[in-house]
Amino acid sequence: AQKVTQAQTEISVVEKEDVTLDCVYETRDTTYYLFWYKQPPSGELVFLIRRNSFDEQNEISGRYSWNFQKSTSSFNFTITASQVVDSAVYFCALSEASTGNQFYFGTGTSLTVIP
Amino acid sequence: GAGVSQSPSNKVTEKGKDVELRCDPISGHTALYWYRQSLGQGLEFLIYFQGNSAPDKSGLPSDRFSAERTGGSVSTLTIQRTQQEDSAVYLCASSLAGPRIAYTFGSGTRLTVV
Repeated sequence: AQKVTQAQTEISVVEKEDVTLDCVYETRDTTYYLFWYKQPPSGELVFLIRRNSFDEQNEISGRYSWNFQKSTSSFNFTITASQVVDSAVYFCALSEASTGNQFYFGTGTSLTVIP
Repeated sequence: GAGVSQSPSNKVTEKGKDVELRCDPISGHTALYWYRQSLGQGLEFLIYFQGNSAPDKSGLPSDRFSAERTGGSVSTLTIQRTQQEDSAVYLCASSLAGPRIAYTFGSGTRLTVV
């Protein structure tokens, strides 16, 4: 079974629009960690954020914000006032305390911001 | 080094040949990971190293795949008798203290088997 589901394969928005990327995860662990990574056209994955399962506070960093809801097992990512430089593939990932050695990645959401 | 370095960046090989992919992690990072990213797919875990040992090889897809790490630093992923389905981007990542810490990824090696 897929531990991390990113149902949106591709999204296109016009510059300055807001966009939310969905991530739903599945785990039986009570201690786990969630991550978002950005993969621009250059190919290198860039770490964006890490949350642990005990911290449900939403986080904002500039135009980026994350909404972590344990009740729905979701960790959604919103980009406000999108820019062309936000065009990339975004991956959500899960790491579990019990398995620990690997991250489980979703299949990614390809975001295109149209100028 | 400043980041995770992978070489070559691109590799085209004939079916049946062996290939070696190299990863040079960030200095001091004890944990090293190999992932594979096929076209349009997510990242598939291959193997994890802690120091020179590989406590988790569960992701290696077949016995044609092997990896080693020497001196707690450089790692080599070897694919023997390559097949066309091996074509993918092979990503290496390293981290300081194990799997709960965010990885730093390299730019990957794009392998094409013709």
